[in-house]
Amino acid sequence: EPEVTQTPSHQVTQMGQEVILRCVPISNHLYFYWYRQILGQKVEFLVSFYNNEISEKSEIFDDQFSVERPDGSNFTLKIRSTKLEDSAMYFCASSVGREWGSYNSPLHFGNGTRLTVT
Amino acid sequence: GIQVEQSPPDLILQEGANSTLRCNFSDSVNNLQWFHQNPWGQLINLFYIPSGTKQNGRLSATTVATERYSLLYISSSQTTDSGVYFCAVEPYSGAGSYQLTFGKGTKLSVIP
Repeated sequence: EPEVTQTPSHQVTQMGQEVILRCVPISNHLYFYWYRQILGQKVEFLVSFYNNEISEKSEIFDDQFSVERPDGSNFTLKIRSTKLEDSAMYFCASSVGREWGSYNSPLHFGNGTRLTVT
Repeated sequence: GIQVEQSPPDLILQEGANSTLRCNFSDSVNNLQWFHQNPWGQLINLFYIPSGTKQNGRLSATTVATERYSLLYISSSQTTDSGVYFCAVEPYSGAGSYQLTFGKGTKLSVIP
């Protein structure tokens, strides 16, 4: 069964540094997402991406975050200047999307990248 | 925004016991999924179930969309079932809203 793959599985960085988290969504999917989970808390939506642009973003997704689909397969999340509070598990997800008036298709999640900011 | 309430927050079971986890949500939904987060932090998709009933081995799920709740049943629990179970919903929006809102989860511990 096709999977969403994320690299690296664990990233340690110093406060103020830039990090790029990488994801390869499932090949025929059209919608891409980033979520994050601070340790011990619930999973939170960051951003959704469709047709090479952001379709929705949460309040968490401020100017220090950006997403990009640099080629036909990769989907990246960049954090420009990391803060201690950015330490979390970051999940990439993808879905086929939905037709008007029908249920949305399921989101498929990757295994996550654990980001530790020191 | 949509509210998602899961109960119970914590559950301890003897191996072999059955359990029911509940998810209540405050608005109509376009999507509902159940996930199991294992000890390594991975989110395993269990069910995509915006309505109806599905079964997969020892697990089954039912969503009653008109009454805004979903149930996850675990039968003959095993120690490998331990972890956190999340319910996540996408609120209905004709324009298309593609964000899942997660509940706080039910932490399940199955003891031998």
